[in-house]
Amino acid sequence: NAGVTQTPKFQVLKTGQSMTLQCAQDMNHEYMSWYRQDPGMGLRLIHYSVGAGITDQGEVPNGYNVSRSTTEDFPLRLLSAAPSQTSVYFCASRPDGARKNTEAFFGQGTRLTVV
Amino acid sequence: AQSVTQLGSHVSVSEGALVLLRCNYSSSVPPYLFWYVQYPNQGLQLLLKYTTGATLVKGINGFEAEFKKSETSFHLTKPSAHMSDAAEYFCAVSSGGYNKLIFGAGTRLAVHP
Repeated sequence: NAGVTQTPKFQVLKTGQSMTLQCAQDMNHEYMSWYRQDPGMGLRLIHYSVGAGITDQGEVPNGYNVSRSTTEDFPLRLLSAAPSQTSVYFCASRPDGARKNTEAFFGQGTRLTVV
Repeated sequence: AQSVTQLGSHVSVSEGALVLLRCNYSSSVPPYLFWYVQYPNQGLQLLLKYTTGATLVKGINGFEAEFKKSETSFHLTKPSAHMSDAAEYFCAVSSGGYNKLIFGAGTRLAVHP
């Protein structure tokens, strides 16, 4: 009963480096999304996907790329890491993005520090 | 655009006291509202949700919330706080195109003996 799995749990990057945060879900959910959590700001939506091959921007997309080649996986790429991207990143999935009443299931988070 | 405002970034209560965490929303269409809880170093988990129907919603761990359309509020309550309730609580609204979940800034609840 894995749910939403994020890797790695912790990461330290140097400014300018790139990396990919992995997210996988085994619940056959159509809708997946990435959030970043910063103190006093709650969770802010970075990118989301309503199904394989379909992605769109959230409220803070700059500096991040996503793709959705399969239903299960939704990786988040940092192209050139900056200290402002130091944050905790959460991946979430929902059964059906067309229905407003479905709850989101969250991964355990990736704590990223950019130095 | 939809938004969520949580009043009070930190709330402290005594064990056994009433817990009240405030949430107000802004939505141009009937909202779907959620409360999530985050324990230290963990992801978020659903406490309860309001979709349609009964305006008083009961959730896990003795929490409940009441949807008040006239006040655009969805406050979370628990009659008697327990030490294990110490966590951060997030109110969220699902609305708009593709039903994005929009979160409030969160309220950190401390429970002291």
